[in-house]
Amino acid sequence: QVQLQQWGAGLLKPSETLSLTCVDYGGSIRGYHWNWIRQSPGKGLEWIGEITHSGGTNYNPSLKSRVTISIDTSQNQLSLKMSSVTAADTAIYYCTRGYESDWPTSNYWGQGTLVTVSS
Amino acid sequence: EIVLTQSPGTLSLSPGERAILSCRASQSVGGNFLAWYQEIPGQAPRLLIYGASQRATGIPDRFSGSGSGTDFTLTISRLEPEDFTVYYCQYYATSPRTFGQGTKVEIK
Repeated sequence: QVQLQQWGAGLLKPSETLSLTCVDYGGSIRGYHWNWIRQSPGKGLEWIGEITHSGGTNYNPSLKSRVTISIDTSQNQLSLKMSSVTAADTAIYYCTRGYESDWPTSNYWGQGTLVTVSS
Repeated sequence: EIVLTQSPGTLSLSPGERAILSCRASQSVGGNFLAWYQEIPGQAPRLLIYGASQRATGIPDRFSGSGSGTDFTLTISRLEPEDFTVYYCQYYATSPRTFGQGTKVEIK
């Protein structure tokens, strides 16, 4: 049973680096397609980027220069790092996974982490 | 990059009525790799439809998806109280896997 749990710092100052972690307590992180998605207050869903089941990464062009998505297989953890945050990065951040290994859809979602950027 | 445009922005309907939501892509969506998500207040969104017309696990059959190419539709046959929320389409054939801006279904 997929059980996604995520965590990370909820309050950042402008220019700091956002760092979030996601684990699947029901199984292995490895071999699946993972996404990070965010939702700013009162706004829609925004796809941040992904790490594919084969380990490749792709990012939203508008965020690409600041984002890194990676997997630590030894810790069974997925991570998101976003540098030089501003108030515009205030949002709920979600890790998501597809139903099958190579599915890029978001069948399973973490509980979400609210990240607030404020001086 | 494919841009998805959802319409209408807001749909005002009564419980029991049918809702028809539209999602138009700026280019043809190969393989019908188009999904629909439902926003759930206080929770993570949930996947309703993938492959343009396949219901995800556990989704009631009042939700249906259709369409191909550049025009896709989510239909809710009879609105239940919990269906009044925001819906998003997503293109997922290739990166970037963009979302539409959302359609809000509100109680009339």
